[in-house]
Amino acid sequence: EAEVAQSPRYKITEKSQAVAFWCDPISGHATLYWYRQILGQGPELLVQFQDESVVDDSQLPKDRFSAERLKGVDSTLKIQPAELGDSAMYLCASSRRQYEQYFGPGTRLTVT
Amino acid sequence: AQSVTQLGSHVSVSEGALVLLRCNYSSSVPPYLFWYVQYPNQGLQLLLKYTTGATLVKGINGFEAEFKKSETSFHLTKPSAHMSDAAEYFCAVSDSYGNNRLAFGKGNQVVVIP
Repeated sequence: EAEVAQSPRYKITEKSQAVAFWCDPISGHATLYWYRQILGQGPELLVQFQDESVVDDSQLPKDRFSAERLKGVDSTLKIQPAELGDSAMYLCASSRRQYEQYFGPGTRLTVT
Repeated sequence: AQSVTQLGSHVSVSEGALVLLRCNYSSSVPPYLFWYVQYPNQGLQLLLKYTTGATLVKGINGFEAEFKKSETSFHLTKPSAHMSDAAEYFCAVSDSYGNNRLAFGKGNQVVVIP
């Protein structure tokens, strides 16, 4: 069964450093999502792509976060500079149909 | 804007007993409703979903949920808890008009007592 791939699974970085996460969606899924999940809370959407275009980035802190999906397949989420409050799980999901999102295993980020 | 309320962050249930997790939603348009499960340090797995049609929805691992429009609820149940049900459970809502943006509740951490 196809799965959403994410790397790295765990990342520890120091405050003010740059960090990047990678996501490879399920083949054929045109829509890709990045979520942030703070410990003890539900995921919150950061950015949504339809193919290579951003369709919703209203909750993305654009002063330090950026996301791209250049060829409409895999995607990278970057934080520069990282802050202590960015410590969280970053989840990627993809979907083909409107109401079925499939989640990857996530990247656990710790900022020290 | 859509939102979900899940009360009681931690839920303890005895093995073999009924599992009941409550979810109330707010939506100005007909909603799509979902329950996801998350095991430690893993992503979310879809348990079940309601889009249209039958209001009683059956999912994986013996879980089911009932959409009650009059109560704006979508409570999750399982007749008999198993040790493997220990996990975090999230209710989520999206609209049916193509937005597909999921709004999640804060989750319920389920502990199964032997």
